[in-house]
Amino acid sequence: QITLKESGPTLVKPTQTLTLTCDFSGFSLNTNGQGVGWIRQPPGEALEWLALIYWDNDERYSPSLRSRLTITKDTSKNQVVLTMTNMDPVDTATYYCAHRPATGLFDYWGQGTLVTVSS
Amino acid sequence: QAGLTQPPSVSKGLRQTATLTCTGNINNVGNEGAAWLQQHQGHPPKLLSYRDNTRPSGISERLSASRSGNTASLTITGLQPEDEADYYCSAWDSSLSAVLFGGGTKLTVL
Repeated sequence: QITLKESGPTLVKPTQTLTLTCDFSGFSLNTNGQGVGWIRQPPGEALEWLALIYWDNDERYSPSLRSRLTITKDTSKNQVVLTMTNMDPVDTATYYCAHRPATGLFDYWGQGTLVTVSS
Repeated sequence: QAGLTQPPSVSKGLRQTATLTCTGNINNVGNEGAAWLQQHQGHPPKLLSYRDNTRPSGISERLSASRSGNTASLTITGLQPEDEADYYCSAWDSSLSAVLFGGGTKLTVL
C-alpha cells in the first residue's frame, strides 16, 4: 500500500525559505518510471503543480515558479524534499506530495500540510 | 502559464447524469489525455481516472471518462449526495514539460 506524508513548518515569515519533506512508503524511487511530485492549493482555490522528480533524478518544475524551487530525493530514506525560496503571503496554501506512477499522473496523495506565510 | 479550462460549477438533480468537461490543446489533453480527480472539502484529491478512461480499483462504475480531440469529459451517472465535490482534470503538457491542472468544477447534487 502506497502512503505519503508531508511535514514542515506551519508558519514562515515573508522572504524566508520553506523546506518541506515528503516521507513515503509502498514504492521505491529506485524503480523505473516512479516519481514524486509536489502540488499546492491556496485556501478556496484550485490545485497548482509545483515540481516533480523521477527515479532517474530527472527534475521538472512549474515554469512560473522554477527560479524559486528545488526538489531532491533521498532514496535510502524514502524521502523527497522541496525547498521554496523568498516566501510571500500569496504562497499560503496546503502543500501536497503525491506519487506519480509510470502509467500516468498522480495516483496517491498525502494528507497535505497547511503553510501560512505571515510576519 | 496556460492551464486547462473547466466550467466553475455544474448542478444536477439526484440520480441524474452530470458531464464535466476539460479543454486543453494538442500538447496536453489532445496528446496524452487527462486524469480526473475528486476532492471533498477538507480532504486531499482522489484519483478517479487516468489515460482517458482507466479507473483505479475501487472507483465506482458510475464514473466514466472520455476524450474528443482536445477536450476530456467525465460522466457521472445516477448522481448521489456523496458525488457532491470539486472535480479537477490534469494532464502532462509536452510543450511546457509541465503538469497542468484545470481550475476545477464544483458539482452540486440537488
